[in-house]
Amino acid sequence: DIVMTQSPDSLAVSLGERATINCKSSRNVFYNSNKKNYLAWYQQKPGQPPKLLIYWASTRDSGVPDRFNGSGSGTDFTLTISSLQAEDVAVYYCQQYFSIPRTFGQGTKVEI
Amino acid sequence: EVQLVQSGAEVKKPGESLRISCKGSGYNFTNFWINWVRQMPGKGLEWMGRIDPSDSYTNYSPSSQGHVTISADKSISTAYLHWSSLRTSDTAMYYCGRRQAGGEAFDVWGQGTIVTVSS
Repeated sequence: DIVMTQSPDSLAVSLGERATINCKSSRNVFYNSNKKNYLAWYQQKPGQPPKLLIYWASTRDSGVPDRFNGSGSGTDFTLTISSLQAEDVAVYYCQQYFSIPRTFGQGTKVEI
Repeated sequence: EVQLVQSGAEVKKPGESLRISCKGSGYNFTNFWINWVRQMPGKGLEWMGRIDPSDSYTNYSPSSQGHVTISADKSISTAYLHWSSLRTSDTAMYYCGRRQAGGEAFDVWGQGTIVTVSS
């Protein structure tokens, strides 16, 4: 199984400041044939299901604000929230979909 | 509107059987794999398995294989997660999620079904 490790486990950021979450996979999730990284980011607010933010490591899903940015390749990835808003308080998960079983990181809690 | 609607909360005893459901609407159900994800109380997301509703082909995580069964009835656009013998450790929130078109991430999620197993 591919192990996904996020850091930090939690972080507190002031409103309007940048939040950076890291995700490291135990194996390369870059697929050479289509030049894509098989990695997604999700946001989960309390009492809600997860919401897809980013797929292919850097493509925002429809309707996701442009303050959310995904980057990285291979085994090291980053989710950046450029200017934290109150509504961004949530737990964020990375997920690899390169191989079965799909695996998630342990989550990073973002607070104000 | 594309949505997945899951069945309601369940309270069961250890050893009992259970089937929860996930009904798709607003899209062609057979064109998109459905995944099941477990979230134990206060914990993270764990992928359990998935099904292709067009032919009921399934994949399971090693920890779910043999303990749960994923099925689908494409005639009513519904996927299922079934336990024949529940354990207290099955207490969790269960989500279904749709594999996106042209990709592999989960773009639409059900609202979740909370399952409590207690003697």
